[in-house]
Amino acid sequence: KAGVTQTPRYLIKTRGQQVTLSCSPISGHRSVSWYQQTPGQGLQFLFEYFSETQRNKGNFPGRFSGRQFSNSRSEMNVSTLELGDSALYLCASSLGAGQVTYEQYFGPGTRLTVT
Amino acid sequence: SQQGEEDPQALSIQEGENATMNCSYKTSINNLQWYRQNSGRGLVHLILIRSNEREKHSGRLRVTLDTSKKSSSLLITASRAADTASYFCATRMGETSGSRLTFGEGTQLTVNP
Repeated sequence: KAGVTQTPRYLIKTRGQQVTLSCSPISGHRSVSWYQQTPGQGLQFLFEYFSETQRNKGNFPGRFSGRQFSNSRSEMNVSTLELGDSALYLCASSLGAGQVTYEQYFGPGTRLTVT
Repeated sequence: SQQGEEDPQALSIQEGENATMNCSYKTSINNLQWYRQNSGRGLVHLILIRSNEREKHSGRLRVTLDTSKKSSSLLITASRAADTASYFCATRMGETSGSRLTFGEGTQLTVNP
């Protein structure tokens, strides 16, 4: 099976712009989570989608949003970019969540640089 | 904020030696997972241990979990240069948290040839 794919891998944007990142989960996986990784804050949870519905949201401003499509692919959007948004954005997929424990598989990430 | 703290922050050993990393967390968990990350890349899942398990093995990896102390350890035996990476523990809390993982700050392991 193909792993989790993320596009683009690298992105340079200017303050004030907006950006959309894409994640394709492993085939058959219905849960997609997004994480932000920075040297200062480490790995922080952004949000999780399952069957096109947002299940959980981390403590990030409303500029960060996401969605999931019927084929489980997910996108996250950051509007009005700030320098502090420069980070590695990681997507993870799993079969699901709930009472059963599922392992999460991460993609290679999108490196976003805001100038 | 991070749920866990990892100790040590950095570890440098020689090939063939064992490496032990520790992770502490603050709240009750459903399971704890260990991940490896090579410089600036994605996370690779290593091992998952459930809250009702005390020890788990996978190849050269051994993970222990002590829920009374809210701590876990990852032991890599007979380390190799290719094990050089950052290692993170991540906890999943109850079912209501979905798939959400809370990560520790990581341990940077360097294995010298």
